[in-house]
Amino acid sequence: AQSVTQPDIHITVSEGASLELRCNYSYGATPYLFWYVQSPGQGLQLLLKYFSGDTLVQGIKGFEAEFKRSQSSFNLRKPSVHWSDAAEYFCAVAAFSGGYNKLIFGAGTRLAVHP
Amino acid sequence: NAGVTQTPKFQVLKTGQSMTLQCAQDMNHEYMSWYRQDPGMGLRLIHYSVGAGITDQGEVPNGYNVSRSTTEDFPLRLLSAAPSQTSVYFCASRFTGNTVNSPLHFGNGTRLTVT
Repeated sequence: AQSVTQPDIHITVSEGASLELRCNYSYGATPYLFWYVQSPGQGLQLLLKYFSGDTLVQGIKGFEAEFKRSQSSFNLRKPSVHWSDAAEYFCAVAAFSGGYNKLIFGAGTRLAVHP
Repeated sequence: NAGVTQTPKFQVLKTGQSMTLQCAQDMNHEYMSWYRQDPGMGLRLIHYSVGAGITDQGEVPNGYNVSRSTTEDFPLRLLSAAPSQTSVYFCASRFTGNTVNSPLHFGNGTRLTVT
C-alpha cells in the first residue's frame, strides 16, 4: 500500500540556518510527490511537486526538494530559514485508485524558528 | 475570486447530534474532496467527488455522508456525531480528477469538537 513517512515530528532551527525536512514514501510505480505548507489557522498551500525529469525541483518561498529513487526519499530543503517559515510541512504522494488519483499525506513536521 | 470557502470555522456538537459542514468553490473545479486532520496522523481522505452526481469513499468514510448536486458545492454530513469525529476538517478542490498536474486548493478548515 502507498504510504508517506515523515520521521521528524518537530524541528527547531535558528533563523538564517539551513533546513532539511525528511520524507520517505512507499509506492510501487513512479511516484508523483508533493510538499505542502500549513500556516497556523490556514489550509494547505502547495510548495512544490515532482512528476518526472530533473530530480531537483524548485518551489515557492525559496524551497527545493530532491527526489532520490534509490532511497525512496523526497527531502525538502532551504538554504536560509526565515522566521516566517515557521509552520507545519506535509509531504504527500499521489495514489491511483479506480482510475482517479488521491493524495496520501504524511503525518507532518512542525517547524519552529528561533530568532 | 474566493477560492475554496468552508463554513462554519468552528463548531461544537454533542454526541448524537447531526450537522453539515459546507464547502463551496468558485473555480469551476470538477474534483472536490474532504480530509480530516488529526495530530500525528496528517490528513486523511474522507470522501471525494470527480463531478456533479459522482462521489466515492476515501480512507475514513464511516460516519460521514456526502453529495454533489452542483459543481460548486460539496457538503459533508455527520449523521450522528461521535467524540472520535473531533478533528479539523478541510475541503480541497482541483480541476480534474485523474491527473496530478492540477494542484489541490484547500479551504481554511472547520474545527469540530464533539463532546
